[in-house]
Formats: sequence, C-alpha cells, structure tokens
Amino acid sequence: SQTIHQWPATLVQPVGSPLSLECTVEGTSNPNLYWYRQAAGRGLQLLFYSVGIGQISSEVPQNLSASRPQDRQFILSSKKLLLSDSGFYLCAWDPIHSGNTIYFGEGSWLTVV
Amino acid sequence: LAKTTQPISMDSYEGQEVNITCSHNNIATNDYITWYQQFPSQGPRFIIQGYKTKVTNEVASLFIPADRKSSTLSLPRVSLSDTAVYYCLVVPANQAGTALIFGKGTTLSVSS
Repeated sequence: SQTIHQWPATLVQPVGSPLSLECTVEGTSNPNLYWYRQAAGRGLQLLFYSVGIGQISSEVPQNLSASRPQDRQFILSSKKLLLSDSGFYLCAWDPIHSGNTIYFGEGSWLTVV
Repeated sequence: LAKTTQPISMDSYEGQEVNITCSHNNIATNDYITWYQQFPSQGPRFIIQGYKTKVTNEVASLFIPADRKSSTLSLPRVSLSDTAVYYCLVVPANQAGTALIFGKGTTLSVSS
C-alpha cells in the first residue's frame, strides 16, 4: 500500500533562518506531488506541485521554493523565513494519470519567531 | 477548474443527519465531485467521490442531481467526532498535474 511521510512534525525557527521540510511517498512511482500551507483558522493554500523529477509549478509567489530531486521525494525550502511563513504545511500526492483523489501527509507545524 | 461554493459553518447535535451542499455551476463533463474531511492539526482525508446520482460508503452518502451543478454530502447520525472541516472539490479526471484548489470548506460543529 502507498504511504506518505513528511518531517519534521513541528519546528520553531527564528526569522531569517533557513527551512527544509521533506516529504516522501512509498509504494508508488511517478506520483504527482503537492505542498500546501494552512495558516491558523484558514483554508488550504496550494504552494507548489510537481508532475515529475525536476518539474515544479509554483502557485503563489513567495520566499519559498520546492524541489523534487527523486521521483518520490519532495522538499520545501526557504533561505530566509518570514513571520508570515508560520503555518501548517502539508505534503500530498496523487497517482499520475488517475488523479481523482489526493492523499495527504501528517503535516508539519512551523512557527517562525 | 470549476469553482465551488459551500456554507462556511454548520451546527448540529449528536444523532442528527447533516447535509452539506456544495454548488459547482461550472462543472465540466469530465469532472468528479470529491469531499474531504479535516480534523485540527491533521491533513484532509478523502471521504467520498462521485460523478452522478448517488454514492454511498461506510462514512457518508453523496447525492448529485442530474445537472451536476450541485452536490450534497450527507452524514448520517453524526457524533462529536464528526466535528471537522469538510471540503468540496471538483476534480478533472485523469489529468496529471492538476492544481487542486481547496476552498475554506464548511466547519461542522457537533454538540451533545
């Protein structure tokens, strides 16, 4: 069966520090991968999605970036965090060419102080 | 992508049936209607998906009229644990890389 993992689960980072959130999917190949953010009390905001290695689409201009160095690995990064980057970050995947349903990871809570 | 509209919030009591309606007037022929449930500090979880008429699983039922411009998620006999945010999405079938847009969802509060 397919599983998705992301880490770390929680982190507290000072303003201006770098960020790296990792996500891996197991049990499938060539999935579509997504990064979402959810600020406190708000809806889900799509940040990036990827249809393959090295292929990244950005939905929202910001100081975040994403990379997909391997087929089942998706990384969210920032060189310098802002206070407004605080939130709940979710990685998700769906099977390519049959993408009717999307599956989410456990989420990562980021607090920028 | 078809835009969806659903109530911001709903209140219910334990044991009642809850119906959450979603409008999607611009739904396309190859679009599916999908509902997700999200608990605090967790990622959304797939509940049910349908194309037309009625779909039922162990969690909920989904009613879709013939024109498919709306859909209704029905939760039978809700309990306190059904308190969550419910999202309605219209998803094109088999399209790689589709950007799935989640709206604000409907916050369902179940009281005893």
